[in-house]
Amino acid sequence: GAVVSQHPSWVICKSGTSVKIECRSLDFQATTMFWYRQFPKQSLMLMATSNEGSKATYEQGVEKDKFLINHASLTLSTLTVTSAHPEDSSFYICSAGVAGLAVETQYFGPGTRLLVL
Amino acid sequence: AQTVTQSQPEMSVQEAETVTLSCTYDTSESDYYLFWYKQPPSRQMILVIRQEAYKQQNATENRFSVNFQKAAKSFSLKISDSQLGDAAMYFCAYIDGGATNKLIFGTGTLLAVQP
Repeated sequence: GAVVSQHPSWVICKSGTSVKIECRSLDFQATTMFWYRQFPKQSLMLMATSNEGSKATYEQGVEKDKFLINHASLTLSTLTVTSAHPEDSSFYICSAGVAGLAVETQYFGPGTRLLVL
Repeated sequence: AQTVTQSQPEMSVQEAETVTLSCTYDTSESDYYLFWYKQPPSRQMILVIRQEAYKQQNATENRFSVNFQKAAKSFSLKISDSQLGDAAMYFCAYIDGGATNKLIFGTGTLLAVQP
């Protein structure tokens, strides 16, 4: 149980285009979803926290107009990288907090590799 | 602000031997949780073990155990009988018991297992 999926697993796009990444909780309802960014050989950096039906809360230094997050249902959150540039190339990971359980229970998706040419 | 520090960027262990990964943290909270996550080459984050701060007993999961020293704010991971599949990046993480729900990660320790 508690499986989180991400789609796509990898994407290559041209500079200036927008890319949408989906994060789904497959067998549970996720009250809260988190989006992280990870550079090679580095730790996970929290980008934003999204709660179903409300606006995402972004971490300091993360451009909310650049990284659009939507959490339309208890099983789906999306991250859209708008007008992507090569510096946006990274590994993006989502995690989901399980509704009804303690706040510390988070399950991670397999990640999405984004390469912007 | 809470911080998590892993002072060992890389570690190496012989297969079947025991290795300990270090982690220290800083917080003024009394209610919090600590975790060790494993990230293999696939990059899927896998929860290895968790510890509630209010519990004095150290958590254990099969070959994985922790040494939780609350006063010293130390949370080390011991891997016994190391296996080749244990080779991965290991992240120590903290979350407080309040409303933030944010996991704070250390910088990671890359563990190599030698056959």
